[in-house]
Amino acid sequence: EAQVTQNPRYLITVTGKKLTVTCSQNMNHEYMSWYRQDPGLGLRQIYYSMNVEVTDKGDVPEGYKVSRKEKRNFPLILESPSPNQTSLYFCASTPGGGNEQFFGPGTRLTVL
Amino acid sequence: KQEVTQIPAALSVPEGENLVLNCSFTDSAIYNLQWFRQDPGKGLTSLLLIQSSQREQTSGRLNASLDKSSGRSTLYIAASQPGDSATYLCAVITGGTSYGKLTFGQGTILTVHP
Repeated sequence: EAQVTQNPRYLITVTGKKLTVTCSQNMNHEYMSWYRQDPGLGLRQIYYSMNVEVTDKGDVPEGYKVSRKEKRNFPLILESPSPNQTSLYFCASTPGGGNEQFFGPGTRLTVL
Repeated sequence: KQEVTQIPAALSVPEGENLVLNCSFTDSAIYNLQWFRQDPGKGLTSLLLIQSSQREQTSGRLNASLDKSSGRSTLYIAASQPGDSATYLCAVITGGTSYGKLTFGQGTILTVHP
């Protein structure tokens, strides 16, 4: 089944404790991205990647890192999480060329 | 900077009604527009994708139209059902590239009651 998977789905952590949210797609898509969704602010892009080893900042990159060492994986890294990073995170992928984007199931992160 | 607005913010209708959700965007130089559905606590499910050169797309009871020059799109849902209850989001890719970020509207929360 073609899909985007994220792990973990739910995470509660404390301020300053490094964490990684994994994202994987099995559709051989070149383009992957991360969004966060917050009440009243909607979905905003954090980082995106156009291919292996090619990443760039979205609208709200502060406090996040990403890497793209393999085409299928695009992990989101929070080196020192803070409470303002409490949010619902989505990973997305697309082959580009104007095709639709596919979203993962989301990761609900709470930083205490 | 592209801004996407969805009206109404919330809509409650009885089962069986036909309804229209509206989406407007400020920069008409879009590459495509995509409608999504989001159930509470769940991810986004793609409903329809309209390329900038297209006027409409249909899938089952859903029909989405695009008027790029006026910066508007509508999602028409025919014969609504309680299972249609969800948040509906529209999103655009702006600019000449087929890649790029989606700019989302705030969504329309739809409730269809029996």
